Amino acid sequence: ETGVTQTPRHLVMGMTNKKSLKCEQHLGHNAMYWYKQSAKKPLELMFVYSLEERVENNSVPSRFSPECPNSSHLFLHLHTLQPEDSALYLCASSQGLAGSETQYFGPGTRLLVL
Amino acid sequence: GDSVTQMEGPVTLSEEAFLTINCTYTATGYPSLFWYVQYPGEGLQLLLKATKADDKGSNKGFEATYRKETTSFHLEKGSVQVSDSAVYFCALNSNYQLIWGAGTKLIIKP
Repeated sequence: ETGVTQTPRHLVMGMTNKKSLKCEQHLGHNAMYWYKQSAKKPLELMFVYSLEERVENNSVPSRFSPECPNSSHLFLHLHTLQPEDSALYLCASSQGLAGSETQYFGPGTRLLVL
Repeated sequence: GDSVTQMEGPVTLSEEAFLTINCTYTATGYPSLFWYVQYPGEGLQLLLKATKADDKGSNKGFEATYRKETTSFHLEKGSVQVSDSAVYFCALNSNYQLIWGAGTKLIIKP
């Protein structure tokens, strides 16, 4: 399945580093999402974009900064992260925002903050 | 607010056993309901969904029925295989957000 790709797949960074996660969808979808998946916790929605406009920001710390330059690409810029930010970051896309829409996920970026 | 509760894992079964993973929800309105599966080292993928009461979603031998009266969407499979070992997530769509259960890890032994 190559509908949604994410790079890098693994990332180790120090608390003072700046890095970016990239997501690309090849499905012609209009909505894209960032999720955080931590062990033993439900998936946490971080950001939602529809037609390149941010429509949701679920009280995410400012050390996470999203960017959606077009409907196919989504970035998550990271700076001065904390060890508790270590998690699997998942990108997803859907055709639209309707309630019955299926979200298609990328494989995730496994982030470790030292 | 809306929420999803699913049975804690891990669930360990022998091959060819019958599987049930319970999922209940609380929601205003009539949300769509989903089961996603996450295989080791991969992202989530849709397993099945149901968009209204009494709908039955099915895929790969898995089934789940949208029960409004019991606010449930239990996942079932008649005969599991080792390849079904994964983490299963129940979710509902609230506005345009998916509200997720905590996931149930399924381990199938040969």
